[in-house]
Amino acid sequence: DVVMTQSPLSLPVTLGQPASISCRSSQGLLRSDGITYLYWFQQRPGHSPRRLIYNASNRESGVPDRFSGSGSGTDFTLRIGGVEAEDVGVYYCMQATHWPPTFGQGTKVEIK
Amino acid sequence: EVQLVESGGGLVQPGGSLRLSCAASGFTFSTSWMTWVRQAPGKGLEWVATIKEDGSQKLCVDSVKGRFTISRDNAKDSLYLQMNSLRDEDTAVYYCARGNGHSWGQGTLVTVSS
Repeated sequence: DVVMTQSPLSLPVTLGQPASISCRSSQGLLRSDGITYLYWFQQRPGHSPRRLIYNASNRESGVPDRFSGSGSGTDFTLRIGGVEAEDVGVYYCMQATHWPPTFGQGTKVEIK
Repeated sequence: EVQLVESGGGLVQPGGSLRLSCAASGFTFSTSWMTWVRQAPGKGLEWVATIKEDGSQKLCVDSVKGRFTISRDNAKDSLYLQMNSLRDEDTAVYYCARGNGHSWGQGTLVTVSS
């Protein structure tokens, strides 16, 4: 299985400051159809996960533009332009290029 | 608005069985791959099983292969997960999701314990 490694696992951030989460995969995620099946999810405390980013860099409808995804190959990043209180939660990357789909361990974002 | 509503969770003894259901609305269910993902208490997310739009292809992760079966009824806009030979380590919240996590239900808790 493809191993997804996130860092850091804990991210204390000051309100209004930017934040960045790294995700590395043990195999390249570009599929033969030219699409990179890398996703980012947010899970607020007590809630179900919510997809923020698909295909590495495309923001889902309704997701604030302070969230952005980038990267290719095996290295990916989720950036939050300026953290707001509602952004507290755990963020997961996930790959679906190779079966089975696998998630990173999660990064807990909290306010300092 | 997309809605996915899971049901069927509960407490079951090791070796027992349980059938989860997911009622879908707000999108064309019959043209969507559907998925089950689980989350053990205080832990991360784990993909469990996926089924093609017409049910012709079903994929399960190795940890549940031979024990869990994913199925669907497009006439009822419903997704199912039949879980047999349950183990302690199957204890988790089970989420129904559309495709590659496009939308998620609220989850249903399965507790395997004697």
